[in-house]
Amino acid sequence: DADVTQTPRNRITKTGKRIMLECSQTKGHDRMYWYRQDPGLGLRLIYYSFDVKDINKGEISDGYSVSRQAQAKFSLSLESAIPNQTALYFCVEGIMWSRGDEQYFGPGTRLTVT
Amino acid sequence: LAKTTQPISMDSYEGQEVNITCSHNNIATNDYITWYQQFPSQGPRFIIQGYKTKVTNEVASLFIPADRKSSTLSLPRVSLSDTAVYYCLVFVKGGSQGNLIFGKGTKLSVKP
Repeated sequence: DADVTQTPRNRITKTGKRIMLECSQTKGHDRMYWYRQDPGLGLRLIYYSFDVKDINKGEISDGYSVSRQAQAKFSLSLESAIPNQTALYFCVEGIMWSRGDEQYFGPGTRLTVT
Repeated sequence: LAKTTQPISMDSYEGQEVNITCSHNNIATNDYITWYQQFPSQGPRFIIQGYKTKVTNEVASLFIPADRKSSTLSLPRVSLSDTAVYYCLVFVKGGSQGNLIFGKGTKLSVKP
């Protein structure tokens, strides 16, 4: 099984603050993703990276930035947090198959912006 | 970007077979269709993946018609522990690498 670690697991912050969510994986897989989950909206892709030099925007990248510091580390930043960024955030690492993906989700970070 | 469409919710009883269908227009030729299961306060967990026709594993079957514009997850003889949200996922062609798009999920409630 994949081993994805997210820190912090829970965070409460104020509007306008900068916050970083960190993610690391131990398997050394190429693909990493950040998703957010909101009630009624399902899972939406924020950013994804297929290797250290490859960063791509997802569906909802506005207000977020990412950094792939190493193969195993992929952090998500909110430069100036706003209340509608309150959500459950998942980091995911993926295994590249010849024609498909399996993704393994981290435990999630619950972020509240007041 | 193309979206996937699933029923918002489904109800079932223990021991019944449950079929959840996902529509996915604009799926790329070589892309796979993947289904995930999510329990409250946990991340989604991989269930099954397929490309065409039928795939079966120890927990589910996946049926994909020839045009691949939809897929059906089949859960045989569900139990109370199958109560969860089920997502279908396709790799949608777009941009330099495409995007992995989840459906909004189907909340399955299994009753005794």
